[in-house]
Amino acid sequence: DVKVTQSSRYLVKRTGEKVFLECVQDMDHENMFWYRQDPGLGLRLIYFSYDVKMKEKGDIPEGYSVSREKKERFSLILESASTNQTSMYLCASSSPRGHQPQHFGDGTRLSIL
Amino acid sequence: EDQVTQSPEALRLQEGESSSLNCSYTVSGLRGLFWYRQDPGKGPEFLFTLYSAGEEKEKERLKATLTKKESFLHITAPKPEDSATYLCAVQAIKRGSYIPTFGRGTSLIVHP
Repeated sequence: DVKVTQSSRYLVKRTGEKVFLECVQDMDHENMFWYRQDPGLGLRLIYFSYDVKMKEKGDIPEGYSVSREKKERFSLILESASTNQTSMYLCASSSPRGHQPQHFGDGTRLSIL
Repeated sequence: EDQVTQSPEALRLQEGESSSLNCSYTVSGLRGLFWYRQDPGKGPEFLFTLYSAGEEKEKERLKATLTKKESFLHITAPKPEDSATYLCAVQAIKRGSYIPTFGRGTSLIVHP
């Protein structure tokens, strides 16, 4: 079974702080993704990565950056946290072969005060 | 631009009352339609992949079908443990990678 592990289930930070969210997958997947999920807005793609050190912007990359130094690990960075970044953050991984689903972690609920 | 619309937004059923959830989509070059189940406070859990129009997949009380414009998730004789949010996603090739577009989900509550 694919396992995607997010380092924190709940996180509280202050505005202006630099915040790191970590994600690790154990299935040797090339593709990894970061989403945020907000009520009424669904899942929105922030960034994705298709290989080590490779990254692509998703639909809402502003205020975020990512790092992929190893294949199994994908980090989301909030450069200077703001209250409108309070959200549920979900990490996912998938095989690059066609028709393959994503596998998700259990999310990090981040509150910015 | 790829679009996925799920209806209804919310659905309340009595235990044993069968119903269907709808996922309408527009996509350029479909590379799979996925159904996920999401429980409160958890990440989405994969249920089904459908590849082409006419295809059907079943798992316990759930059956997913696909046409060229929409997919249905049929729930037969639901139980309270089927209560969850059900997400639909369509996958296409964007920027050289397989990227899904998600609908906003249908929140299902099954009353005992």
